[in-house]
Amino acid sequence: QVHLQESGPGLVKPSGTLSLTCAVSGGSISSSNWWSWVRQPPGKGLEWIGEIFHSGNTNYNPSLKSRVTISVDKSKNHFSLKLRSVTAADTAVYYCAKVGQLVGAHDHWGQGTQVTVSS
Amino acid sequence: QSALTQPASVSGSPGQSITISCTGTSSDVGGSNYVSWYQLHPGKAPKLMIYDVIDRPSGASNRFSGSKSGNTASLTISGLQAEDEADYYCSSYTSSHTWVFGGGTKLTVL
Repeated sequence: QVHLQESGPGLVKPSGTLSLTCAVSGGSISSSNWWSWVRQPPGKGLEWIGEIFHSGNTNYNPSLKSRVTISVDKSKNHFSLKLRSVTAADTAVYYCAKVGQLVGAHDHWGQGTQVTVSS
Repeated sequence: QSALTQPASVSGSPGQSITISCTGTSSDVGGSNYVSWYQLHPGKAPKLMIYDVIDRPSGASNRFSGSKSGNTASLTISGLQAEDEADYYCSSYTSSHTWVFGGGTKLTVL
């Protein structure tokens, strides 16, 4: 059973860079899966941020593409999110998730981590 | 890309059935076999309830079922139970190789 765990600072200053890591256990990040980041601002719905394959191929939400970089570190079996030039609107619970190899859906999720953008 | 459209809230009594709709476009729901539904309880990881429009993963109750007609997908929960009270989100893969979620529906079990 794959387990995902997000980690990173819970507080980021405006105009700074939000950096999170998702550790994958119980499976290899080099398996034939895509790995996603999803967020949920307070009182709002889920928003897909982007995804990465172990080869490094990425897809991003067009509305965030200019500020987002998702990378993978196969040696550490984790993948990471960087979101630049953050504002209060980027305050959210951030989730990492695995896209199923045989199912068209995010079949495993982390517990989520709260990130607040504030000075 | 625009979020898929879901009703903000639905409610039902224990034992009843409810249906949550999810409306998109031909570029996502209407043109994709990858429509899924997630259950969110506060403070918990989202749980996949339906994938590929109609399939149910192991661990999801068989009281949950999915369907699609045109650009609208639906989640039906039969035999409502108190534990079903949660937020539900639909999601679809898009023709642009991205994912889009719905705005979410709060289910209240009366």
